[in-house]
Amino acid sequence: EPEVTQTPSHQVTQMGQEVILRCVPISNHLYFYWYRQILGQKVEFLVSFYNNEISEKSEIFDDQFSVERPDGSNFTLKIRSTKLEDSAMYFCASTRDKNTEAFFGQGTRLTVV
Amino acid sequence: AQSVAQPEDQVNVAEGNPLTVKCTYSVSGNPYLFWYVQYPNRGLQFLLKYITGDNLVKGSYGFEAEFNKSQTSFHLKKPSALVSDSALYFCAERQTTGRRALTFGSGTRLQVQP
Repeated sequence: EPEVTQTPSHQVTQMGQEVILRCVPISNHLYFYWYRQILGQKVEFLVSFYNNEISEKSEIFDDQFSVERPDGSNFTLKIRSTKLEDSAMYFCASTRDKNTEAFFGQGTRLTVV
Repeated sequence: AQSVAQPEDQVNVAEGNPLTVKCTYSVSGNPYLFWYVQYPNRGLQFLLKYITGDNLVKGSYGFEAEFNKSQTSFHLKKPSALVSDSALYFCAERQTTGRRALTFGSGTRLQVQP
């Protein structure tokens, strides 16, 4: 069964460093998303991406964040200068079209120290 | 504004008994509603969805949910719980037009005791 894959599973970084989280969405999906889940809190939407551009973003997704689909298969989330409060589980998701359910990756646990 | 409420942080049920995990929503019109399950150190797995049509939706692993428009609820149910159903369950909603992002509830931990 096709699945969304994310790498790495766990990333530890120092405050102020840049991190790139990687995702490979399901191959025939067209819409891509990043969500995050701070420990003990609910899953929150960050950004959605369609047709090589951001289609919507939340207030969390500020100038420190960026997304890219560099090669037609990978979908990346970059945090330019990490802060302690960026520590969370980051989930990538994809959907085939705008009305179908999202399939999530297993997540990347980001720890900023 | 959209919101999803899961009023119970935890639900405990004995194996073999029916289970219900509650969810209410507050979006105007006819929302798209979803249930996801999260096992430890895993991502969110899709269980079922309501888009339109029959109010009773059947999903994976024997789970079902009933869309109740008058009560704005979408409770998750299973007739006979298994110990392996123990996990974190999230209800989510999405607007039918415009924003495609999911809004999640706070999650309910289901503990099924043998």
